[in-house]
Amino acid sequence: GQQVMQIPQYQHVQEGEDFTTYCNSSTTLSNIQWYKQRPGGHPVFLIQLVKSGEVKKQKRLTFQFGEAKKNSSLHITATQTTDVGTYFCNPNTGNQFYFGTGTSLTVIP
Amino acid sequence: DSGVTQTPKHLITATGQRVTLRCSPRSGDLSVYWYQQSLDQGLQFLIHYYNGEERAKGNILERFSAQQFPDLHSELNLSSLELGDSALYFCASSVGQGNDSPLHFGNGTRLTVT
Repeated sequence: GQQVMQIPQYQHVQEGEDFTTYCNSSTTLSNIQWYKQRPGGHPVFLIQLVKSGEVKKQKRLTFQFGEAKKNSSLHITATQTTDVGTYFCNPNTGNQFYFGTGTSLTVIP
Repeated sequence: DSGVTQTPKHLITATGQRVTLRCSPRSGDLSVYWYQQSLDQGLQFLIHYYNGEERAKGNILERFSAQQFPDLHSELNLSSLELGDSALYFCASSVGQGNDSPLHFGNGTRLTVT
């Protein structure tokens, strides 16, 4: 089983700065999900993207699905300390069980 | 609270031993997934069951096995344990067979092999 690469692997930002993580697949995806895992916690579902070029927002979080449905990004505007954690994508190629490698976000107050 | 229950929360055992991890899915969910997460690592997919039947296998060692019972709870059996098996084991459940339903994770079982 293979994992989809997420970049960057780690990101340290000052509170108030923006943050973006990317999930890149070599194959076309039927959909993609994003999860957040707080330190010491379990992954929690954030959102699912299905359509080509789809953009969804949740407060300061913006999720995008690429036009070719191979790539996706999660952007956080003006990070807060509550955004700390690891963000995982879950790309669905017909087999949705393999999560991305994750991006660990540290927010420096 | 995700509605997924995992027991025990912590498990400490010695090399060579066998342990059983238990998972009760959310009410109404038919799919159960098992994941392994080593320290500061990602989520390694182990196995998926849907309504009692095995549907997909991931990076699961031959020393590991799982099953889903008629009441939909699932157990993950780990045998001949090695130090490298120390990890956090998550169970997740979903409504459907997996392709487009969100996964709901339990709090995990932290296994320490000494």
